[in-house]
Amino acid sequence: DVKVTQSSRYLVKRTGEKVFLECVQDMDHENMFWYRQDPGLGLRLIYFSYDVKMKEKGDIPEGYSVSREKKERFSLILESASTNQTSMYLCASRRQNEKLFFGSGTQLSVL
Amino acid sequence: KQEVTQIPAALSVPEGENLVLNCSFTDSAIYNLQWFRQDPGKGLTSLLLIQSSQREQTSGRLNASLDKSSGRSTLYIAASQPGDSATYLCAVRGDSNYQLIWGAGTKLIIKP
Repeated sequence: DVKVTQSSRYLVKRTGEKVFLECVQDMDHENMFWYRQDPGLGLRLIYFSYDVKMKEKGDIPEGYSVSREKKERFSLILESASTNQTSMYLCASRRQNEKLFFGSGTQLSVL
Repeated sequence: KQEVTQIPAALSVPEGENLVLNCSFTDSAIYNLQWFRQDPGKGLTSLLLIQSSQREQTSGRLNASLDKSSGRSTLYIAASQPGDSATYLCAVRGDSNYQLIWGAGTKLIIKP
């Protein structure tokens, strides 16, 4: 079975902190994605990467950056956390043109 | 611009019933369509993926159909169980990009 692992299930940070969310997949998938999910707004794409060292902005990239130095790992960085970045963050991966698999999510609270 | 709609937003049915969830999309130029379920506070679980050249996919009690010309997909759940209670989302991938366009989901409650 495909495994997409997100480093933290719950995270509490202070405004202004730099935050790293890590995601690792074990199936050699080319494509990886970061979404955030908020009540009433659904899933929104932050960034995606179609291969190592490649990245593309999604619908809401402002305030975020990403890093994909190795194929299995895709990191989401909040440069200076703000309260409006409190959300559920979901990482996903897939082989090109195949099913998308999600991690279990990180619930981030920024105080 | 592609839009994906799921109606109804919520559905409650007694255990044992067969049911159909709907997903409609505005642009028929799709690459594939995927159905997911999400339990409260959890990530999404992939259920079925239908490529644009396919008409349906089956997995156990689940059957997903795709009609590109009418812009519709349905997820049929046979003999529903309380464990099927979850939010079901569909997502469409367009021909020309990597991104998925998401429906808002249908929250399904199966009453014992």
